[in-house]
Amino acid sequence: KNQVEQSPQSLIILEGKNCTLQCNYTVSPFSNLRWYKQDTGRGPVSLTIMTFSENTKSNGRYTATLDADTKQSSLHITASQLSDSASYICVVTSQTGANNLFFGTGTRLTVIP
Amino acid sequence: DAGVIQSPRHEVTEMGQEVTLRCKPISGHDYLFWYRQTMMRGLELLIYFNNNVPIDDSGMPEDRFSAKMPNASFSTLKIQPSEPRDSAVYFCASRRPGLGGTGELFFGEGSRLTVL
Repeated sequence: KNQVEQSPQSLIILEGKNCTLQCNYTVSPFSNLRWYKQDTGRGPVSLTIMTFSENTKSNGRYTATLDADTKQSSLHITASQLSDSASYICVVTSQTGANNLFFGTGTRLTVIP
Repeated sequence: DAGVIQSPRHEVTEMGQEVTLRCKPISGHDYLFWYRQTMMRGLELLIYFNNNVPIDDSGMPEDRFSAKMPNASFSTLKIQPSEPRDSAVYFCASRRPGLGGTGELFFGEGSRLTVL
C-alpha cells in the first residue's frame, strides 16, 4: 500500500535554532518527492522537489535530503525564523496510476521568540 | 498571474443547505484538483480533471458531493445537502501541462466550510 508518514506531528523550537522534519514513504514505483510549506490560512506552496538521483537540495535555509534506498526524506531548517512557523507537507509521486500523488499529514512547526 | 482563485474564502451554513465552492485555475494549466483538508486526515483528493474532463472521482465521499468543470477557467464543487461532518477546508489546485505526474501543484487559498 502506498503511504507517506511524517514525524513529528508537531514541533516547537526557539527562534534561531535548527530542526529536522522526517518523511518516510512506501510509494512505488517512485517518481519524485516534494516538500510543501503551508502557512496558517493559506494553501500549500512547493519548497523543493527531489528526484530519484538527487540526495541533497537546498533552497535558502531549507535543505532537503532523499535516501531512495531506505525511502526516507528529511527537511532541515537552519537558523529558524518566526516566519518558518507553518505546516510542512511531504508529497510523493508515483510513476504509475491515475491518482499518483500521496500526501503525508504534515508536521506543524512553531517557532517561538 | 493571479494564481488559483477560490471563492468563497469562508462559508458558514446550516445542515441541509446547498453549498457551492468555486475555483479559477491558473491560465494554461490543464489539470485541476479538488482537495479536502482536516486536522485528522490532512489533504485528501476528492476529484481531478484533465482538460475539463473528470478523470478520477473515487475520493468523492458520497453522492451528496458533485463537481463540474464547464470550461478551462472555472470549476465548482457542490455539496447538497450539507452535513456537519463536511466541515473542512476545501482546496483547489492546478498543474501545468506536459509534466505528467511530476509537476508542481499550485494551490488556491482554500474555502473554509463550517456546517452547523
